[in-house]
Amino acid sequence: QKEVEQDPGPLSVPEGAIVSLNCTYSNSAFQYFMWYRQYSRKGPELLMYTYSSGNKEDGRFTAQVDKSSKYISLFIRDSQPSDSATYLCAANPGGYQKVTFGTGTKLQVIP
Amino acid sequence: GAVVSQHPSWVICKSGTSVKIECRSLDFQATTMFWYRQFPKQSLMLMATSNEGSKATYEQGVEKDKFLINHASLTLSTLTVTSAHPEDSSFYICSAPGTGAFEAFFGQGTRLTVV
Repeated sequence: QKEVEQDPGPLSVPEGAIVSLNCTYSNSAFQYFMWYRQYSRKGPELLMYTYSSGNKEDGRFTAQVDKSSKYISLFIRDSQPSDSATYLCAANPGGYQKVTFGTGTKLQVIP
Repeated sequence: GAVVSQHPSWVICKSGTSVKIECRSLDFQATTMFWYRQFPKQSLMLMATSNEGSKATYEQGVEKDKFLINHASLTLSTLTVTSAHPEDSSFYICSAPGTGAFEAFFGQGTRLTVV
């Protein structure tokens, strides 16, 4: 079993839709939960991170972590064609320990 | 924000030759850098952690004699793929830690094709 599981998609939505991206994880030691955005043939870019359970909002993006169910979510409101990319969830126990990535979900926002 | 510059962005080489990939932190000092490999539709897989002034730490299953890592200064880490074979063709990405407890800054990636 992979430590971080993510549906690879692809996920296609119309412009303006609310997008929900999800991951599950199995390692109870994970404390930091991150979302990265990766455009084709580019390195990942950190979007948001949360520490432990809870919500964090940044503009149109909301990250949510539920440690009791080991569930990680990223919501994108009013999605735009420029949001089209692969979104990677990731987690680590902290303390500069190894980061474990999901496989990424490819999102396409159709104008 | 902090920038990690990776070079080259793509390279094609013949089987049996060696290829060097550079990763530079442009506006900050990185005592640690991470090297990942990403195959199509797969996660980033950590290959090794390079530490300035000391030996790199390799993940299980990664051949350290094949993937040579050097971190000679606080702003430069290099990965050399020696005696490359077609199965080494992949997307290689470096990253450096941010102020948090995880990597926050990634290079642009290098697409290596071995023919």
